[in-house]
Amino acid sequence: GQNIDQPTEMTATEGAIVQINCTYQTSGFNGLFWYQQHAGEAPTFLSYNVLDGLEEKGRFSSFLSRSKGYSYLLLKELQMKDSASYLCAVITRDYKLSFGAGTTVTVRA
Amino acid sequence: EAGVAQSPRYKIIEKRQSVAFWCNPISGHATLYWYQQILGQGPKLLIQFQNNGVVDDSQLPKDRFSAERLKGVDSTLKIQPAKLEDSAVYLCASSPGTVENYNEQFFGPGTRLTVL
Repeated sequence: GQNIDQPTEMTATEGAIVQINCTYQTSGFNGLFWYQQHAGEAPTFLSYNVLDGLEEKGRFSSFLSRSKGYSYLLLKELQMKDSASYLCAVITRDYKLSFGAGTTVTVRA
Repeated sequence: EAGVAQSPRYKIIEKRQSVAFWCNPISGHATLYWYQQILGQGPKLLIQFQNNGVVDDSQLPKDRFSAERLKGVDSTLKIQPAKLEDSAVYLCASSPGTVENYNEQFFGPGTRLTVL
């Protein structure tokens, strides 16, 4: 089976930085996605990593280490609208997308 | 570009009743997915279509769930009969590529099902 672990909850202050870690043990690896999901809404794409290293996109960055089975999503200059669930998802060998349970980030003023 | 459309947005039924959900993917997207997301969990893949063929339905409870994608466009997901544990959000997603040429998935707003 697939095992994708991420913290359940994180809280941070507006303007701060938060790092959400994701570790995975899956049957093969063809890439890793991060999705943002606001309460009651559909997941929306944030980032995609298939090679080791850091991908930066505005205030959000995502890092991948395939040898360690590890990724993180870095959210900088936090805003209230960043309060949401952040889902780590791995594309496995058979090209299925397996999701972690999600990390709920709460941004406080 | 119009996104993935789903209906209804909300549905409340009693256990043992039947229910159907509809999904219209983004135009031209070859691959369509149905996910079940139980509160507090990540989405779980139920079934995956490529055009009008089933690629993977290994996690679909086939004794009560069925899905079809006629003409390789719209899709319906049916539950018959429903159980209490089927209460969840059912998400439809589509992707422009084939299964092997993996692309980002675009999600619809979901249908929130409550089984009483």
